[in-house]
This record gives sequence, structure tokens and C-alpha cells, in this order.
Amino acid sequence: KAGVTQTPRYLIKTRGQQVTLSCSPISGHRSVSWYQQTPGQGLQFLFEYFSETQRNKGNFPGRFSGRQFSNSRSEMNVSTLELGDSALYLCASTRGSSTDTQYFGPGTRLTVL
Amino acid sequence: DAKTTQPPSMDCAEGRAANLPCNHSTISGNEYVYWYRQIHSQGPQYIIHGLKNNETNEMASLIITEDRKSSTLILPHATLRDTAVYYCIVRPSGGGADGLTFGKGTHLIIQP
Repeated sequence: KAGVTQTPRYLIKTRGQQVTLSCSPISGHRSVSWYQQTPGQGLQFLFEYFSETQRNKGNFPGRFSGRQFSNSRSEMNVSTLELGDSALYLCASTRGSSTDTQYFGPGTRLTVL
Repeated sequence: DAKTTQPPSMDCAEGRAANLPCNHSTISGNEYVYWYRQIHSQGPQYIIHGLKNNETNEMASLIITEDRKSSTLILPHATLRDTAVYYCIVRPSGGGADGLTFGKGTHLIIQP
């Protein structure tokens, strides 16, 4: 079974721009969670989507948003990029319950200049 | 999340068993012990989880003490590809509503 895939793997943007990242969950998985990982803050939860609805949300500003499509694929968007948004963005999928084991994708490395 | 304590780094010789300890003295009765690992700049990889019984899969074994206050992840025959940061977390099965939180983990270095 194919794992979680994320595109693109690397991105370079400048301050003020916006970016959209994509995540395809494991086949049959219906929940997708997004995380930001930085050396200083570690892994931080952004939000979780299930059945095209945001089910849970972390403590990030409104510049960070997401959505999920009917095929469970998910996108996250960051508007008005700041230097501090440089990070590894990870998505993880589960079968559906938020208490299922989470399986992570390879991540998207975003660099903001 | 219940907090966990792991040594910041460990070395192990290639081909030997790597034993990674984790203390979780405040674990609740319904919380599982999960192990993930992360190779530099890649996504975390799920390894194994357990509640109170010892668990084994194709990657590793998990030994949980009877009082559940500590556990050990065992990689039976470590290879150079096992060099990574290993995270021990305790959660209700899988994650919970606010996502996973990783601590600093243990940087395991497999020596040739």
C-alpha cells in the first residue's frame, strides 16, 4: 500500500507571498492532520480534517488554512509568508478516528527568504 | 500529554541490539506508549505502540514495565540506516484531538 505523499518536497518563497502544499493520504484513510516542524519549536499541530471538515485546530494564526477534498486529499495554504514560516510541513493520515495511529508523509521543506 | 524522558543521545555498534529507554511515570491507564523515529529532514516513521503487554513487529520490540512507568524500544540488529532521532510519546491510542507532540527524543547513532 502506498504511503502518504506530499508535494512539492521543497519550496522557496519570499516574504509576503502565499503558498499551497498538497497531501495525499494512504488509500482508505479519511483523516489528514498537518504539522509544522522547526528546530526551535519542534513538532506543532496545525489542524486536522476529516470528511472535508476541519475537526481540530492548533494554535496558529489565520494565515494558515486548509481544506480537504472528497477523495480525502488535503491542501494547506499559508498567506502573507513570514521568515518564521520557514519549516518542514508534515501531513499525517489515519483511517478516521483521531485516536488511530498516525502515518506521516515525507514533508515539504519551505524556505521563506 | 503525559511527559516522557529520554536520553538525548546513544551510540550502538552495527549488528548489535539497540535498547532505547523511556520514562513515563505519569502515564494514565488509558494511554498507550508510541514510538516514532525521524531520519534527518524526513517525516516521522511509526515504529510500534503498546498499552501494557510487550509488543513485537518486523521493525522492533517494545517492552513495557509492569507498573507502566517506563519502557524500552529494542532494535534487535541495528544497521546504519537505523541512525535517527527516536521519539517516545504517550497518548490515547493514536493521537487525540490536538495532534501528536514530540519531545526532544533520543538521537541514536549506529557506529560501523
